Formats: sequence, structure tokens, C-alpha cells
Amino acid sequence: EVQLVESGGAVVQPGGSLRLSCAASGFKFDDYTMHWVRQVPGKGLEWLSLISWNGLSTYYADSVKGRFTISRDNSKNSLYLQMSSLTTEDTAFYYCAKTFQISDWKYFDNWGQGTLVTVSS
Amino acid sequence: DIQMTQSPSSVSASVGDRVTITCRASQDISSWLAWYQQKPGKAPKLLIFAASNLQSGVPSRFSGSGSGTDFTLTISSLQPEDFGTYYCQQAYNSPRFGPGTILDVK
Repeated sequence: EVQLVESGGAVVQPGGSLRLSCAASGFKFDDYTMHWVRQVPGKGLEWLSLISWNGLSTYYADSVKGRFTISRDNSKNSLYLQMSSLTTEDTAFYYCAKTFQISDWKYFDNWGQGTLVTVSS
Repeated sequence: DIQMTQSPSSVSASVGDRVTITCRASQDISSWLAWYQQKPGKAPKLLIFAASNLQSGVPSRFSGSGSGTDFTLTISSLQPEDFGTYYCQQAYNSPRFGPGTILDVK
């Protein structure tokens, strides 16, 4: 069974930094592109970033480009999101998500339960 | 950037009804579209990919159609467990979700 478990969510002050983690199990992690998606409570879904299976290719939404960094450690079956220069608009649930098919990036077939990041003074 | 819109923004229907949700892209995305269902407090669930392909394990009452800029998700006979919010997502380039359609089962 595929499992994705996010951690690292916290209350952080504006301008601060935070690192989220996602522990993956139940599938061959290093075969798949992985993503981060966020959702402001009560609002819609926003894709943030993806990283290729080998970590060599990364892409970001304009809203987080230059502030967030996605990375992965295939030896630990883990995905990360380093967030900096946080603003109140970054307050959201953050999900990691697995790409549906190997050698693809387009659809998300497994998601974690989400971790809440609250940016507040 | 490709913008996604959905209609209606909310719908209330009875068990057994046929429900259709529409998604429109601001430019041609071929068939690069998915549909997700999200229930309160839960992560989204992939229902349909590549516009019309049913994800494994998803009931056959769900179907998707369309290409280019206009897409539909149809639930042929609504069941009580189908409540939730439905999102479309374009996969032509940088992924983007529609604003969602809230489905309430009467």
C-alpha cells in the first residue's frame, strides 16, 4: 500500500523559514516524479513544485519560485520542501503527491494527509 | 498561464440523479485533464485521467469526456457517498487546478 506521510508543519512568523518532509513507502520511490501541492483551508488546490525521479529536474509555480526549494533523498525514500521568506499567504495545508505513472509528471494518484503551515506573528 | 474554470460552483442533487460538472481551459490542452474528488478533511482522490480514463477502483458511474478546452465529469447515478468537492486539473503544462465544484447530495 502506498503511503505518504508529511511532517514539519508549524506556526512560523512572517519572513521565517520551514522545512517540510514527506516519507514515502509502498512503492519504488526512486521511479517516480513527486510533487508538492497546497490548499488554503476551505479553498482550492494549488500546485507548487515537482522534482524528477533522480532529482535533476525541478519546476516551481510562480508564486513560490525563488522562495521554495524541492529536494529528495532516494536513499531515505523522502521528499522535502524548504520554504523561506514566508508570508501569511503561505498559510495552508501542504500535501506531497506521487505522480500516477513512471516517467510522467502529469497526474497525482496518491497523496499524503497534509501538514499545516501557519504563518502568523 | 492556462486558467481553468468550473461550473457550476456548487450543485445539490438527489440520489439517483445524473450530475454533470463542466471544466473549461483558457487554451487548448488536448486531453491533458484529470478530475479529483475531495471530501472534507481528506486528500484529493484521482477519478479520471487523460480526460476520459477511469482510475482503477473508481466506480463506473463516473465518466469523463471532452478535449481541447471543454471537458465534463458525469456521475450517471448519484450515490450518497459522492458528496464532496470536485476539481479538474490541466496537465498540458505547469499543473493547475480548477476552482472546484461542491456537490451536495440531498
